Amino acid sequence: QKEVEQDPGPLSVPEGAIVSLNCTYSNSAFQYFMWYRQYSRKGPELLMYTYSSGNKEDGRFTAQVDKSSKYISLFIRDSQPSDSATYLCASFFISNFGNEKLTFGTGTRLTIIP
Amino acid sequence: EAQVTQNPRYLITVTGKKLTVTCSQNMNHEYMSWYRQDPGLGLRQIYYSMNVEVTDKGDVPEGYKVSRKEKRNFPLILESPSPNQTSLYFCASSIDRGAVYEQYFGPGTRLTVT
Repeated sequence: QKEVEQDPGPLSVPEGAIVSLNCTYSNSAFQYFMWYRQYSRKGPELLMYTYSSGNKEDGRFTAQVDKSSKYISLFIRDSQPSDSATYLCASFFISNFGNEKLTFGTGTRLTIIP
Repeated sequence: EAQVTQNPRYLITVTGKKLTVTCSQNMNHEYMSWYRQDPGLGLRQIYYSMNVEVTDKGDVPEGYKVSRKEKRNFPLILESPSPNQTSLYFCASSIDRGAVYEQYFGPGTRLTVT
């Protein structure tokens, strides 16, 4: 079982719709949860990260973490064609003993249809 | 402009011919790493470096070498490339190992080994 699981899609939604992207993780030690956006032929770009449980909002994007169910979500409101990309979730922890681990999901390909 | 640069962006080579992919960052970051991205497998870490002259293996280090002689540069070396190293490679950097949740990625190098 992968430590971070993500539905690869593809996912197509009409412009203006609310998009929900989800990941699950298995390692309860993870502390930070990130979402990256990757356009075709480009490197991943950090959208936002959250620490521990809760919500974080940045414009049309909201990241949500539920540590009790080990569930990570990204919501995109008023989706635009420019949001068409692959979205990667990732989880990270660093311990007091100097151990760290960063694990990525495989990515969900999203297309916003004008 | 803060950025991570990689060269070359595209490379086609033959089995066994040594090659180097360069990576440079202008943000004075301590932590740098190399990833490969393959369909269905996501991003996997090859090697990382916590500072000059400090490097360590990631999840898939076999067949790769790295060096960190200067803070800004972190080249990836394939001494005898094989077809299973055909992949999309990304270099990334962050302020330090504790801030890996906030990595900046380069634009990627698409390598084909025939």
